[in-house]
Amino acid sequence: SAVISQKPSRDICQRGTSLTIQCQVDSQVTMMFWYRQQPGQSLTLIATANQGSEATYESGFVIDKFPISRPNLTFSTLTVSNMSPEDSSIYLCSVESNREDTQYFGPGTRLTVL
Amino acid sequence: AQSVTQPDIHITVSEGASLELRCNYSYGATPYLFWYVQSPGQGLQLLLKYFSGDTLVQGIKGFEAEFKRSQSSFNLRKPSVHWSDAAEYFCAVGGGGGYQKVTFGTGTKLQVIP
Repeated sequence: SAVISQKPSRDICQRGTSLTIQCQVDSQVTMMFWYRQQPGQSLTLIATANQGSEATYESGFVIDKFPISRPNLTFSTLTVSNMSPEDSSIYLCSVESNREDTQYFGPGTRLTVL
Repeated sequence: AQSVTQPDIHITVSEGASLELRCNYSYGATPYLFWYVQSPGQGLQLLLKYFSGDTLVQGIKGFEAEFKRSQSSFNLRKPSVHWSDAAEYFCAVGGGGGYQKVTFGTGTKLQVIP
């Protein structure tokens, strides 16, 4: 398995601002994923981030709103731009273990937008 | 399209009682199946997974799950529940073989009463 950390663990932000969430993994991985978990809901995939290529976004999510960087095999960032209260969610980073066909999750970032 | 149904939104059991959480999936080929647990304020932890072979799989924390292809089910069980098992449980299905898009169920929230 992989050990994944996220920063910040939680934040309270004002409407119209942006927040960048960092995800760090303790080993090199090909696939990293960003999910959103709205209050009381299940997980929704935002995008898949491969090192050295543009992120692939799921239907309903766009790069202008959720820009993603993947500069190397152990790190990724997700920015939530021009935030509104509807963006209040837990944002989770996950990685796919190269040998296990299994996703492992970070602890999440709890975002509240006022 | 793949999908997961967890018919029970909320379950309450007494400590020491047995537990079964239901999961039904829809997938066009042989599925990769997962159960994750999310404690309050935490990320997702992998409990167990099924890819192939023995249809009864053992996981961490005393959990097991049984894959039944004829019923498209992957129910999670535990013979004796502990108060620390109170959490939300997510069933998920994916395709494996390198990049896999994982689809999550809506979750079952488990309450354990003394």
